[in-house]
Formats: sequence, C-alpha cells, structure tokens
Amino acid sequence: EVQLVESGGGLVQPGGSLRLSCAASGFTFSRYWMHWVRQAPGKELVWVARINSDGSSINYADSVKGRFTISRDNANNTLYLQMNSLRAEDTAVYYCAKESRWYFDPWGRGTLVTVSS
Amino acid sequence: QSALTQPPSASGSPGQSVTISCTGTSSDVGGYDYVSWYQQHPGKAPRLMIYEVSKRPSGVPDRFSGSKSGNTASLTVSGLQAEDEGDYYCSSVAGSTNVFGTGTKVTVL
Repeated sequence: EVQLVESGGGLVQPGGSLRLSCAASGFTFSRYWMHWVRQAPGKELVWVARINSDGSSINYADSVKGRFTISRDNANNTLYLQMNSLRAEDTAVYYCAKESRWYFDPWGRGTLVTVSS
Repeated sequence: QSALTQPPSASGSPGQSVTISCTGTSSDVGGYDYVSWYQQHPGKAPRLMIYEVSKRPSGVPDRFSGSKSGNTASLTVSGLQAEDEGDYYCSSVAGSTNVFGTGTKVTVL
C-alpha cells in the first residue's frame, strides 16, 4: 500500500524555523516527483513546492521562495520541507503528495504548523 | 500564481447532478490537459477523483466525470449520494508550478 506520513509540525514563534518530514512507503520513492501543499484553517489548498525524482529540479510558490527549502533523501525514502523566517500566514496543515503526470495521488494525512507568539 | 476560480458552493438533492466549474487562464487550465479534481471531507486529506481532465482513477465511481473547454474545466457528479458531500478542488499545471482552485462546497440536500 502506498503511504505517506508527515511529521515535524508544531507551534513556533514568528521568525522561527521548523523542518517537516514525509516518510514514504509502498512505492519506489526515487522515481517520483514529490510536492508539498498546505491548507490554512478553513481555507483552500495552496501548492507550496515540488522536487523532481533526483532532487536536481526544484520549484516554489512565490509566497515561500527564499524562506522554504524542499529536499529529499532517496536512500531513506523521505521528503523534507525546511521552513525558515516563519510568519503567521504560514499557519496551515502541510500535506506531502506523490505526483504522477501532474496529478497528486496519494496524499499524506498532513501535519499542522502553527506560527504564533 | 493566482488561484483558479471555483463557485463557493453547489448543491443538489440525492439522485440529481451537480456541475462545478474551474476557471483559469491560457497559462494554466487552457494551456494544458493536466487538470485534476480532489474531494476533501472535513479533517481528511484530499482524494484524487479525476486526472488529466477526464480520467477516473480506479475506485472512483463513474458518477464522477470531468471535461474542459478553453480556460474552464468542469467536474460533474451525477446521481448525487450523501457521501459526495464535501469540498472539491481543481488543480492545474501552470508552467513549472501547480495551482489549485478556490474550492467548492458541495451539499447534498
């Protein structure tokens, strides 16, 4: 069974940092592009970042460019999102998702990041 | 990277059909046949319902169908059932990024 499990969320002060992880299983992780998508409480889904299969191609949403870094460890089947200079508007559930030809399937259950003093 | 435009809400009685629109531009929806649709129930992760405009993954009922014309994609749910109630989001490739829709809350009356 294909499975994605996020971890690393929590409460952080504005300006702080957090590192999210997404553990993948049930598929050949190293062959797929991976994405992070977030959803603020009661709001819509927002695409955050993507990384290609070997980590050589990366793209970010303008809202996180320069503050967030997506990376992956194919040896350990894990996707990461390093989040720096966090702002209140970064408060959201963060989902990782496996990409197949520009669609996302499956998604993890998400991890909640709360930025507040 | 502007969100795709969806109506905030849609509703129908059991057995009826509901259609949700997703309007973008020639740089996203209109430029690629890579529109996908996701269903989300409260507190749950999104679930893929339609990919590449009109293809259904295995396990998704054939009551769900997708189409596209110009810069607008559509999701139709025929024969509405109680379990179809939830939020629906479209998504499209937009060059080297992705963009999601604003979301539509579907209510089964």
